[in-house]
Amino acid sequence: AQTVTQSQPEMSVQEAETVTLSCTYDTSESDYYLFWYKQPPSRQMILVIRQEAYKQQNATENRFSVNFQKAAKSFSLKISDSQLGDAAMYFCAYLNSGYSTLTFGKGTMLLVSP
Amino acid sequence: DTGVSQDPRHKITKRGQNVTFRCDPISEHNRLYWYRQTLGQGPEFLTYFQNEAQLEKSRLLSDRFSAERPKGSFSTLEIQRTEQGDSAMYLCASSFMNTEAFFGQGTRLTVV
Repeated sequence: AQTVTQSQPEMSVQEAETVTLSCTYDTSESDYYLFWYKQPPSRQMILVIRQEAYKQQNATENRFSVNFQKAAKSFSLKISDSQLGDAAMYFCAYLNSGYSTLTFGKGTMLLVSP
Repeated sequence: DTGVSQDPRHKITKRGQNVTFRCDPISEHNRLYWYRQTLGQGPEFLTYFQNEAQLEKSRLLSDRFSAERPKGSFSTLEIQRTEQGDSAMYLCASSFMNTEAFFGQGTRLTVV
């Protein structure tokens, strides 16, 4: 079974600074997808960024980028120029291409201070 | 289309009562998923539908849980004889095949 581990229950960052959230996963598959989802308090979960395992190039979406290390099974999220609106719970998730259901980590709460 | 909609947003029920939640997916999405999220945990998969067919169920889905998606549109999740351990956030998501899953705001269930 696939597992996703987020070892940082909570991270803090100041506005305009950069923060990196860690995620490792365990799988025997070679074809899969990885995601970072953001869940603000009392609001719905939204997709931040997606990475296909077959792509060597790291995905980027504006201030959000990932460091995907397939051999190490590591998938970290870097948030640049942090904003107060980035404060949320961030979940790393895995999707095996042969299946349809996401496996989530326990999440990292990101606190952003002015 | 305003996204995935879940109703109710909050539900408080007494132990032993039955509860039913509804999810309206994004209209063009053929897949619908139910997840459960407890405090301090990530969402855990419960079941999913492709159109009206229920294709997969987690072992977390005991006999007290049942889900339907008549006509491949909205879905309902029913919990019979609720227990305190059922207290959680129930999340619904939808997607078109294996593309990005969009989540609803969830239904928070409290069993007292």
